[in-house]
Amino acid sequence: KQEVTQIPAALSVPEGENLVLNCSFTDSAIYNLQWFRQDPGKGLTSLLLIQSSQREQTSGRLNASLDKSSGRSTLYIAASQPGDSATYLCAVGGWVETSGSRLTFGEGTQLTVNP
Amino acid sequence: NAGVTQTPKFQVLKTGQSMTLQCAQDMNHEYMSWYRQDPGMGLRLIHYSVGAGITDQGEVPNGYNVSRSTTEDFPLRLLSAAPSQTSVYFCASSYRPDVTYYGYTFGSGTRLTVV
Repeated sequence: KQEVTQIPAALSVPEGENLVLNCSFTDSAIYNLQWFRQDPGKGLTSLLLIQSSQREQTSGRLNASLDKSSGRSTLYIAASQPGDSATYLCAVGGWVETSGSRLTFGEGTQLTVNP
Repeated sequence: NAGVTQTPKFQVLKTGQSMTLQCAQDMNHEYMSWYRQDPGMGLRLIHYSVGAGITDQGEVPNGYNVSRSTTEDFPLRLLSAAPSQTSVYFCASSYRPDVTYYGYTFGSGTRLTVV
């Protein structure tokens, strides 16, 4: 069974800091890995998608890496801003025998960026 | 705007009542799925569909029914609501995730309270 773990569970940083969020998964047989952002009481917004054959993806101040063999991904946020405050979810896309193609989510990292 | 539309956004039910959560997408995605999000448990897959007329169970299907008569719509039915079904429900869609380079798109969620 695929298990996804995100560390740390919560993170509080001053504005302007560069930071790294970590995601690990137990089964390397994945299609892709997707990072989402969730604001309180809101839905999930896709940030970055990395295919299993790729090593990293970048969008603006965000960079996500994938090391499939070691079961790890990181989300790097440069020059953090208060508007980055949210919960960040890592989701691994793969095939599960009992439930077909699905996303397996970590529990998220709650990020607070202080002005 | 293209995306996944969920209705209603909020709902309060009495124990034993039934209701249908609506989900529609206009991106011609083959895959559609329902997740529930609970504190401390992350997002868990309820049911999914790989195309019109094809549905299957996910990780936590008990108490829920689905059908997929069209590509666009994937309603989730609660047969007899129980307090344990109090949760936030998300609908998601994608192209076939194992053969395409697109990730999942999520709706904004339905917040359901069963009293």
